Amino acid sequence: QVQLVESGGGLVKPGGSLRLSCAASGFSFSDHYMSWIRQAPGKGLEWVAYISRTGNSIYYADSVWGRFTISRDGAKSSLYLQMSRLRTDDTAVYYCARGEGILSHWGQGTPVIVSS
Amino acid sequence: EIVVTQSPATLSVSPGERATLSCRASQSVKSSLAWYQQKPGQTPRLLIHSASTRATGTPGRFSGSGSGTEFTLTIDSLQSEDFAVYYCQQYSSWPPPWTFGQGTTVEIK
Repeated sequence: QVQLVESGGGLVKPGGSLRLSCAASGFSFSDHYMSWIRQAPGKGLEWVAYISRTGNSIYYADSVWGRFTISRDGAKSSLYLQMSRLRTDDTAVYYCARGEGILSHWGQGTPVIVSS
Repeated sequence: EIVVTQSPATLSVSPGERATLSCRASQSVKSSLAWYQQKPGQTPRLLIHSASTRATGTPGRFSGSGSGTEFTLTIDSLQSEDFAVYYCQQYSSWPPPWTFGQGTTVEIK
């Protein structure tokens, strides 16, 4: 079955960097668009970034543009989110999800806490 | 950016009753609307896409309707496992962002 497992979250100081990973299994990773979505504590869902099947089409939410970079590695069936210049309002659980508009499968999420 | 607004924020329903949740988009999204369910401490789960198509595994008591700017999620005969937060999301925009509503909490009355 489809599995998405995120890792790499943790506590980081404002201005710091963190790289999230999402290991995919149970489906042909290279055939699917992928997205990152986040959820701040006690809040709703916010779409963060999207990457096409080949990686040649990428979009970001305005709130992370210029600070976050989404990428993928087909050989490793993995999705990544490089986060830099982190701010306190980036604190959230970060989910990877399969899909570009319709998010059909989600990982369990990895928490990112930005605090001094 | 298309703004998505859900109402009510909280819906109190007795088990076995029907729940009706609303979602409104600030401009037409045609039928490019999805509904997700999130139980406490769990990951969001896709329930409905294309406004009215149930995702694999979604029980028949869940139904979606609407198009353009007004959408509804109906849950017939609420079961205990249905008490959760429900989010709608538009994916009509190209390029993104694809925006979510703020969620409706369905709680036990």
